[in-house]
Amino acid sequence: GENVEQHPSTLSVQEGDSAVIKCTYSDSASNYFPWYKQELGKRPQLIIDIRSNVGEKKDQRIAVTLNKTAKHFSLHITETQPEDSAVYFCAATLRRNYGQNFVFGPGTRLSVLP
Amino acid sequence: GAGVSQSPRYKVAKRGQDVALRCDPISGHVSLFWYQQALGQGPEFLTYFQNEAQLDKSGLPSDRFFAERPEGSVSTLKIQRTQQEDSAVYLCASSTLFKRGDYEQYFGPGTRLTVT
Repeated sequence: GENVEQHPSTLSVQEGDSAVIKCTYSDSASNYFPWYKQELGKRPQLIIDIRSNVGEKKDQRIAVTLNKTAKHFSLHITETQPEDSAVYFCAATLRRNYGQNFVFGPGTRLSVLP
Repeated sequence: GAGVSQSPRYKVAKRGQDVALRCDPISGHVSLFWYQQALGQGPEFLTYFQNEAQLDKSGLPSDRFFAERPEGSVSTLKIQRTQQEDSAVYLCASSTLFKRGDYEQYFGPGTRLTVT
């Protein structure tokens, strides 16, 4: 069925290092790929997104790359800070007759060590 | 402005009880989604509304789950005869009009349901 895989499930980095999280999706019709950050006990918040007509997008220390041929996309965080510690979820759209829906990956718990 | 709100934030129910979870979307948002998030997992889709119309309920795990949005704003997710496997965080999200390519979903804080 339609699903999104996400790796790694946990990631620990030293403050100042880079972190990379990778996702793959199965629906070739997917055309929008958001990344959400969820701190403990809080709501998921959108941090960056990319549409299928773009290969890369950057916003300060955060970037997302998309390879539609291989059906994978990645989140890159540079110069990590302790406040980047959270669970990160990727998602991909699924086409439905009313429009589109989301399927989420299982999440990556990122720990930034001071 | 005000974001998506949900109530109650926490709910403890005894097995077999019925519960009702409320979602207040951002004013003017046409699209409303319900998700179930088990501990350590990503949100899983339950159902989708466009205004008052429930266009997709393919994610509802059983006929004990029922959702409504009668006036196209506030939505209620009802779970009848709760079971322990229903324990999870229930998230609501809204967006402007998903179909038109306005894809960003704004999430509420969730309701943590614990069934004992």
